[in-house]
Amino acid sequence: DQQVKQNSPSLSVQEGRISILNCDYTNSMFDYFLWYKKYPAEGPTFLISISSIKDKNEDGRFTVFLNKSAKHLSLHIVPSQPGDSAVYFCAANYDNQGGKLIFGQGTELSVKP
Amino acid sequence: KAGVTQTPRYLIKTRGQQVTLSCSPISGHRSVSWYQQTPGQGLQFLFEYFSETQRNKGNFPGRFSGRQFSNSRSEMNVSTLELGDSALYLCASSPGPAGQETQYFGPGTRLLVL
Repeated sequence: DQQVKQNSPSLSVQEGRISILNCDYTNSMFDYFLWYKKYPAEGPTFLISISSIKDKNEDGRFTVFLNKSAKHLSLHIVPSQPGDSAVYFCAANYDNQGGKLIFGQGTELSVKP
Repeated sequence: KAGVTQTPRYLIKTRGQQVTLSCSPISGHRSVSWYQQTPGQGLQFLFEYFSETQRNKGNFPGRFSGRQFSNSRSEMNVSTLELGDSALYLCASSPGPAGQETQYFGPGTRLLVL
C-alpha cells in the first residue's frame, strides 16, 4: 500500500519557466510533509517542508502548497534553473511515527537551457 | 556545522557475510534514522534511534539491526547478506524525536552483495 505517490516519473521544463511537481497521499493522519532533492549516489538534500496547519510555505524560489481536502501537495520552483535538474522526493510523517518518513517514488526533473 | 557522515561510502560483500555501517549525526542531533534505497522499492524506512533507544522500526527482517551510542553515533548491521540487500543505505539525523522534525541525510553507503 503506497501511502505517498508521485505519479509523474519525469518532468522536463525550459530554463526560467515554472516547474510544478506533484504528490498525493492517502493517510489523513500525515501532518508534516517535506520535499527533498537527490542526485544519483548521494543522499537526499532537504528543500522545504510544510505542516498540516498551513496551506503554503515559501523559501526563495521554492514554494510548497498543501491541499488537505484533496490530500495533495505540490512543489513550485520559479524560475527553474539547469542546476535544479535532479530527482525530487516528497515525504510525509505524522507525530507518533517519530522519524519514520514515508517517501514517494520520486520525479526526475530536467531543466533545459 | 558539519553534516551527517557515513562510513564506509562503498562496500562489496558476498552472500552470507555480515556488514556494519556507521553514521555520525550532525552535532547536537540526537535522533538517527536509517533508510534503504533500491530501484524497485524506493526509499524505505529501516529504524530510528533516539537516546540510545529504538523508537520505531520498519518492515525489514531481523537480519537488519542497529544501535545508537551515548554520543548519538549509530551503527546498523546486516547479517547473512542476501543479493537483494544490495542498496544505498542512508542515515538521517534530526535534533529530537518529535514527528515534525526535519531529517538531514548523509551521503549514504553503497553496498553491493555478490
